[in-house]
Amino acid sequence: GEEVAQTPKHLVRGEGQKAKLYCAPIKGHSYVFWYQQVLKNEFKFLISFQNENVFDETGMPKERFSAKCLPNSPCSLEIQATKLEDSAVYFCASSQWTSGSYEQYFGPGTRLTVT
Amino acid sequence: RKEVEQDPGPFNVPEGATVAFNCTYSNSASQSFFWYRQDCRKEPKLLMSVYSSGNEDGRFTAQLNRASQYISLLIRDSKLSDSATYLCAVNRGNQGGKLIFGQGTELSVKP
Repeated sequence: GEEVAQTPKHLVRGEGQKAKLYCAPIKGHSYVFWYQQVLKNEFKFLISFQNENVFDETGMPKERFSAKCLPNSPCSLEIQATKLEDSAVYFCASSQWTSGSYEQYFGPGTRLTVT
Repeated sequence: RKEVEQDPGPFNVPEGATVAFNCTYSNSASQSFFWYRQDCRKEPKLLMSVYSSGNEDGRFTAQLNRASQYISLLIRDSKLSDSATYLCAVNRGNQGGKLIFGQGTELSVKP
């Protein structure tokens, strides 16, 4: 599609439950990124993919967070055993080379509330 | 010190005013620069990429100063609809590199 799609829009989980978020990048974009924004604060980079391969995972809290981008499927971000501090909006972005730079386009986000 | 820093806000300006945002970055390896706009509870929307030669899109002008490591965004003839948070972002230019965002500057345009 022409826009990054993310589902669900909202997700509520009790502490300790699992949360799974999905992202469909813009068709033809080879890079996918996940960012976390807590309240109105700064964006924290989590992980990026080049096609189905992990490109950069330096931002991932590895013990509870995992992500995948498989061929012909939406990308996913999974949080095992959610904690209160995981409450945030999770944005997915995709990019391709455009006019001299890799411009990133963001999806509408998934708002995760952990209670 | 944060890698990307922006003017603290909020900026409150009347309609028709010209407003300027500045953003400094500390990593000299940064290669690509962007301005995004974020409306409340929505996703960041790309306003413009910023090039060394500067670029203009209607009322918006972006400049890059590599020597001083800052980028700027000028909005002329501001409209009520320009009210939003403006975020600068940089990446280190490697293909598919993550964006490092500034903390954002909130703009409120009043009638």
